[in-house]
Amino acid sequence: GAVVSQHPSWVICKSGTSVKIECRSLDFQATTMFWYRQFPKQSLMLMATSNEGSKATYEQGVEKDKFLINHASLTLSTLTVTSAHPEDSSFYICSASGPYNYGYTFGSGTRLTVV
Amino acid sequence: AQSVTQLDSQVPVFEEAPVELRCNYSSSVSVYLFWYVQYPNQGLQLLLKYLSGSTLVESINGFEAEFNKSQTSFHLRKPSVHISDTAEYFCAVSELQGGSEKLVFGKGTKLTVNP
Repeated sequence: GAVVSQHPSWVICKSGTSVKIECRSLDFQATTMFWYRQFPKQSLMLMATSNEGSKATYEQGVEKDKFLINHASLTLSTLTVTSAHPEDSSFYICSASGPYNYGYTFGSGTRLTVV
Repeated sequence: AQSVTQLDSQVPVFEEAPVELRCNYSSSVSVYLFWYVQYPNQGLQLLLKYLSGSTLVESINGFEAEFNKSQTSFHLRKPSVHISDTAEYFCAVSELQGGSEKLVFGKGTKLTVNP
């Protein structure tokens, strides 16, 4: 079946550094990818929608300069948390639109801890 | 904008008992509905979806959900649960906004199956 690979699964970084999270669709092309943030015991909050070859669309309240999204190919999207701070600690999940119509395949998530 | 309401944040049940996880959505226009399951520290896995056709949809592991347009509901049911069904369950509805489609999630229901 369709697989979206997300790496790393967990990362610990120092405050002020940047962290990159990758999301790859392994056996299908994903023209649209989504990035979510999930706080403990809460639902998923959509951060941004990225379309291959164009700028990402950010949800209201999400800082585009802090959460840089790149979707350079049909199989890869990256989220870079720049100048991370402890409040950025969270579970980040990506999803890809496809491979079938009205289907969404999710990555396994990345647990980010900023110390 | 769409909204999804999962009335029960936690549902504890005994093994082999039936369970119903409730989900209501806001829009009366045509929608696509999904149930996802999330195990601890993992991404989301699609459980089942309603796109069109029969209002009763089933998953391979015994769950089913019924689309009820008049009540704007998409409740998830299983006649006999197992310990392994313990997880967080999210109801979601697709929304077309600004020319792009995205998922709107409910807050989730934590199902705990006790022996």
